[in-house]
Amino acid sequence: EVQLVESGGGLVQPGGSLRLSCAASGFTFSSYEMNWVRQAPGKGLEWVSYISSSGSTIYYADSVKGRFTISRDNAKNSLYLQMNSLRAEDTAVYYCARGPPPLDYWGQGTLVTVSS
Amino acid sequence: QSALTQPASVSGSPGQSITISCTGTSSDVGGYNYVSWYQQHPGKAPKLMIYEVSNRPSGVSNRFSGSKSGNTASLTISGLQAEDEADYYCSSYTSSSPCVFGTGTKVTVL
Repeated sequence: EVQLVESGGGLVQPGGSLRLSCAASGFTFSSYEMNWVRQAPGKGLEWVSYISSSGSTIYYADSVKGRFTISRDNAKNSLYLQMNSLRAEDTAVYYCARGPPPLDYWGQGTLVTVSS
Repeated sequence: QSALTQPASVSGSPGQSITISCTGTSSDVGGYNYVSWYQQHPGKAPKLMIYEVSNRPSGVSNRFSGSKSGNTASLTISGLQAEDEADYYCSSYTSSSPCVFGTGTKVTVL
């Protein structure tokens, strides 16, 4: 069974940093492209970042470019999102999702709250 | 990376059919056959319902179907059921990024 489990969310002050992790199981992680998608409270889905299976190709949404860094460790079956210079508008549930897209499997999400 | 445009809400009675539109541009919806649709129940993660415009993943009911004409994609739910009440999002590959989502549509079963 495919499972994606996010962790690392929490409360952080504006300007602070946070690192999210996504532990993958039930499939050959190193063969799949991965993404981060976020959803602000009461709002719609926003694609955040993409990484290829090898990690050699990466894309970011304009809203996070220069502040967020996506990475992966195929030996540990894990996906990461390093978030720096956090702003109030980054407050959201962050999902990791498998796929090129289409995003065929999603984790349950981890909540990031940016507030003083 | 502007969001694709969806109606805020669509409603229908049990057994009826409804259609949700998703309008983009020639740089996303109109330019590629990589439109997907996701269903999201409150407090849950999104679920893939349609990919590559009209394909259903294994396990998704055949009451869900997708199509595209020009810069607008559509999701049709036939034989509407109470369990279909949820938020629906379209997404598309774009010329500048792998993914852009639609604004989302709340489906209400009357």
